[in-house]
Parts: sequence; structure tokens; C-alpha cells
Amino acid sequence: AQSVTQLGSHVSVSEGALVLLRCNYSSSVPPYLFWYVQYPNQGLQLLLKYTTGATLVKGINGFEAEFKKSETSFHLTKPSAHMSDAAEYFCAVSEDKAAGNKLTFGGGTRVLVKP
Amino acid sequence: EAQVTQNPRYLITVTGKKLTVTCSQNMNHEYMSWYRQDPGLGLRQIYYSMNVEVTDKGDVPEGYKVSRKEKRNFPLILESPSPNQTSLYFCASSFTGGINGYTFGSGTRLTVV
Repeated sequence: AQSVTQLGSHVSVSEGALVLLRCNYSSSVPPYLFWYVQYPNQGLQLLLKYTTGATLVKGINGFEAEFKKSETSFHLTKPSAHMSDAAEYFCAVSEDKAAGNKLTFGGGTRVLVKP
Repeated sequence: EAQVTQNPRYLITVTGKKLTVTCSQNMNHEYMSWYRQDPGLGLRQIYYSMNVEVTDKGDVPEGYKVSRKEKRNFPLILESPSPNQTSLYFCASSFTGGINGYTFGSGTRLTVV
């Protein structure tokens, strides 16, 4: 069974500072990995995904993530935080086509950006 | 505009009163899924559907029903809601399942008193 662990349910960063959100997964087969962002009172929006190929993936709004198979990690980074980055971020893994490619989500990390 | 539409956005109901949350997508997606979001638990899959008339249980199906009579619609039915079903619910759809990510609706916040 697949599982996802996000380290830290809340992260506080200063505007302009590095954003680093950690995600570790367990999967018995090569996974598909995703980061979603949820702004207040909105649904989830796909930030970026890794399926195959290049392990450094770039997404929207200046975010990127690196798939490290040896560490079973898919950490999300952004070099310089902006106030508009305040949101909740979810890491997710998908591997089982027989189960409708179910997305298994981590518990989420809420990002607070301080001026 | 390509989207997943859920209704209602907010709902307060009483224990035992049957309710339906509707979900419709206009992207001709085969895969549709329902999730519930609870603090600290992320999103958990309730039911999913791989095509018309094909549905199956997710991780937390107890107390819920779904149907997929048409490709675009995937309603979530709570026959006898209980307070532990108070949650934020999301419908999502995708062409190829999770491989390219799902498109999510805006959510339905349900309170059962």
C-alpha cells in the first residue's frame, strides 16, 4: 500500500525566503508524484507532477520539486516566498491503475508567509 | 471553461436526513472520484469510478453511495448522515486516472448536527 508523509503541518517563512516543504512516500512500484495547492475556500490546484523522465520538475508560480528515488522523497521548493504563496500544500502519490489511479495524499502543510 | 462543478458549496443538515451532493464535469473524463478532507488527515478517497456504470470503494466508503449513470455526473449520496460525516468533500475527474493529475471541484462543506 502506498502512503505519504509530509513533515510539518505548519511552516512559517518570511517573504523572500526559501520555501521548503518535505514529502516522503512509500510505494512498491515506481510512483507518480504530485504537489497540489489549496488556497482558502478553494479546491485543489495541481502545482506540478512527476511521472517519468527528468527528476527535477518545474511547476507553476516558481515552484519546483525533485524526485529522489533512493530517499523516496519529493520535496517542494521555491527560492523566494511571496505573500500569495500562503496556502495549504498537499503531496500525493498514485501507483495503482486498478484502483482508478487513486491519489493517496499526505496530511498537508499550511504555509504562512510573514512580511 | 473546463471545470468540475459541485453543489451545494455549503450544507447544514440533521442526522438521518438523506442528502445528495452533485458533481458534474465538462471535460469528457472517464475517471471520477470523491474525497473527504479532514484536518491533519489530508484527503481520503471515498469512492471512484473508471467509467459509466463502473464504481468501486475507496478507503473510507462506509455511509456513502455513488452512481455513474452518465459520464459527466457522479453524485455522492449520504442515505443517513451522521455527525462523523461532517467534513469538506471534493469531487475530482481525470482522463487517465491519476497519471496526469485530477481536476478538483471547489468543494462542499457539510455539517451534520
